[in-house]
Amino acid sequence: AQKITQTQPGMFVQEKEAVTLDCTYDTSDPSYGLFWYKQPSSGEMIFLIYQGSYDQQNATEGRYSLNFQKARKSANLVISASQLGDSAMYFCAMRELPRMDSSYKLIFGSGTRLLVRP
Amino acid sequence: DTEVTQTPKHLVMGMTNKKSLKCEQHMGHRAMYWYKQKAKKPPELMFVYSYEKLSINESVPSRFSPECPNSSLLNLHLHALQPEDSALYLCASSQARTASGYTFGSGTRLTVV
Repeated sequence: AQKITQTQPGMFVQEKEAVTLDCTYDTSDPSYGLFWYKQPSSGEMIFLIYQGSYDQQNATEGRYSLNFQKARKSANLVISASQLGDSAMYFCAMRELPRMDSSYKLIFGSGTRLLVRP
Repeated sequence: DTEVTQTPKHLVMGMTNKKSLKCEQHMGHRAMYWYKQKAKKPPELMFVYSYEKLSINESVPSRFSPECPNSSLLNLHLHALQPEDSALYLCASSQARTASGYTFGSGTRLTVV
């Protein structure tokens, strides 16, 4: 069975510094996708970044980058130049293989709450 | 339009009430999802609809009844809920044939009294 593990329940970072949020995964499927979502206290889930299992390069989206180490089965999120608005819950998620009807499940980790200090 | 719209944003209902949650998207996504999220926990999948047909029911109690009237609309009918059903209910949609992730709505915060 597929599994996502986030071992950091909470983290602090000073404004303008970089922070790394850890995520490890376990799957036997050769094809999979990894996602990071941000969830502010308002509740909406905001897509940040995606990494496919066959992607050769680490994904980047603005201040977000994904440190993908396939052999170690890790997909850590790096946020550069933290801002106060980055304070939120962050979830790592893995896509299961798409079903015949093209739908697919996202399996979520337990989340990391990030607090950015001024 | 790149949004998933959920209504209402907040709902308080008694245990004997019947209410419905609504989710709408106009991105042409053919898969739609209901997730339940308790406080400080990750979202948990409840139902999946694909091409307007129920694809997955994650053993959800029958007091939750999903409905997909058309490709843009997903409802969740609630009846005889329990206080432990109080949670954030998130709707999401995804494109067919590309596994690029879900687009989530902003959720409905449900309180059962």
